[in-house]
Amino acid sequence: DGGITQSPKYLFRKEGQNVTLSCEQNLNHDAMYWYRQDPGQGLRLIYYSQIVNDFQKGDIAEGYSVSREKKESFPLTVTSAQKNPTAFYLCASSLNIGRAFNQPQHFGDGTRLSIL
Amino acid sequence: GNSVTQMEGPVTLSEEAFLTINCTYTATGYPSLFWYVQYPGEGLQLLLKATKADDKGSNKGFEATYRKETTSFHLEKGSVQVSDSAVYFCALMGGFQKLVFGTGTRLLVSP
Repeated sequence: DGGITQSPKYLFRKEGQNVTLSCEQNLNHDAMYWYRQDPGQGLRLIYYSQIVNDFQKGDIAEGYSVSREKKESFPLTVTSAQKNPTAFYLCASSLNIGRAFNQPQHFGDGTRLSIL
Repeated sequence: GNSVTQMEGPVTLSEEAFLTINCTYTATGYPSLFWYVQYPGEGLQLLLKATKADDKGSNKGFEATYRKETTSFHLEKGSVQVSDSAVYFCALMGGFQKLVFGTGTRLLVSP
């Protein structure tokens, strides 16, 4: 079955450490996204990528970095510059706007990051 | 900018009751509208969508109609089940495939 796989499901970070969250999709989608979810705040866009080797900042990109070297993969690094990283992180993907207008995004099951 | 406003929860209902979760939006142009559902500990699943005014999205007994005149996309279900307990997110998509979410509404259904 096609889908989006996020790993790990739970992740713990020490102060001052960088951590990388994995996101892999086998839906053959061009576009991929990272969101952060905090209680009572809905989802906020961190970064998105419409094609390989290209990505753009979302609304809350500070303290995060991404790469898009392969179509299937869009890892997110939470750097030590992110002062409040404890949250639920969701990865999503969709067909690119060039192929299909307003296609819905499909989500993974998320990674919960906590600070030790 | 684009924004979505949802009714605050939790919404608490008994099984077989009628459900309405209100959603209104502010957007330029003609956005597409979506409802997503999130079960505990999981990601979001697309529940239904509507891409133009007066479209009705429906799935699993849930319905929502795109009302441009009232800028609304209220979610309804005629008879809820305990298994419908979850958090429901209204969202709009403007340009460049970017989704804007509401803050979510938690639904609790008791037997």
